[in-house]
Amino acid sequence: AQSVTQLDSHVSVSEGTPVLLRCNYSSSYSPSLFWYVQHPNKGLQLLLKYTSAATLVKGINGFEAEFKKSETSFHLTKPSAHMSDAAEYFCVVRSDSSYKLIFGSGTRLLVRP
Amino acid sequence: EAGVAQSPRYKIIEKRQSVAFWCNPISGHATLYWYQQILGQGPKLLIQFQNNGVVDDSQLPKDRFSAERLKGVDSTLKIQPAKLEDSAVYLCASSLGGGAHHTGELFFGEGSRLTVL
Repeated sequence: AQSVTQLDSHVSVSEGTPVLLRCNYSSSYSPSLFWYVQHPNKGLQLLLKYTSAATLVKGINGFEAEFKKSETSFHLTKPSAHMSDAAEYFCVVRSDSSYKLIFGSGTRLLVRP
Repeated sequence: EAGVAQSPRYKIIEKRQSVAFWCNPISGHATLYWYQQILGQGPKLLIQFQNNGVVDDSQLPKDRFSAERLKGVDSTLKIQPAKLEDSAVYLCASSLGGGAHHTGELFFGEGSRLTVL
């Protein structure tokens, strides 16, 4: 069965420094992977997705994620954090059998001024 | 383009009472989802509709939860009777398609936060 593990429940960075949010997946086949973002009192929004094309995926607001099959990872990065990036981020894998989206437990990103 | 609308935003009830949440998806979206998000956890799918038919309700606690999408547009999720552990945010989402051809992009509403005392 597919699953994702987000290794950090909270990440704190200073504004202007790089962001790294870690995600490892478990999947039998070539997975479809996503990152969603949830700002306070807002609905979840798709940030980016990987569906077996280029391994480096670019998303909105300057975020990127790299699919590494050898490490079963799909970490989310951004070169320079902005205050508006403070939110909760969810790594998501799509089930091969049911096509359901399976969410990780989330990483809360805090950006310090 | 109007997003996914949900109401009420907040609801506080006592255990054993009932509650209903309403969702209106993005116009033209055939697939509608209800998720439960407990504090500190990721969203968990409760039920998925394709038009007015149920595609997946394997994780819906059917002894107390029910959902319908009678005309294939808006949907209602009901809990009766509520338990303390039902305290959560109930998220509605919609997408153009579903199944194998689904792109994975869901559009979420802002959620309905339920507190059961």
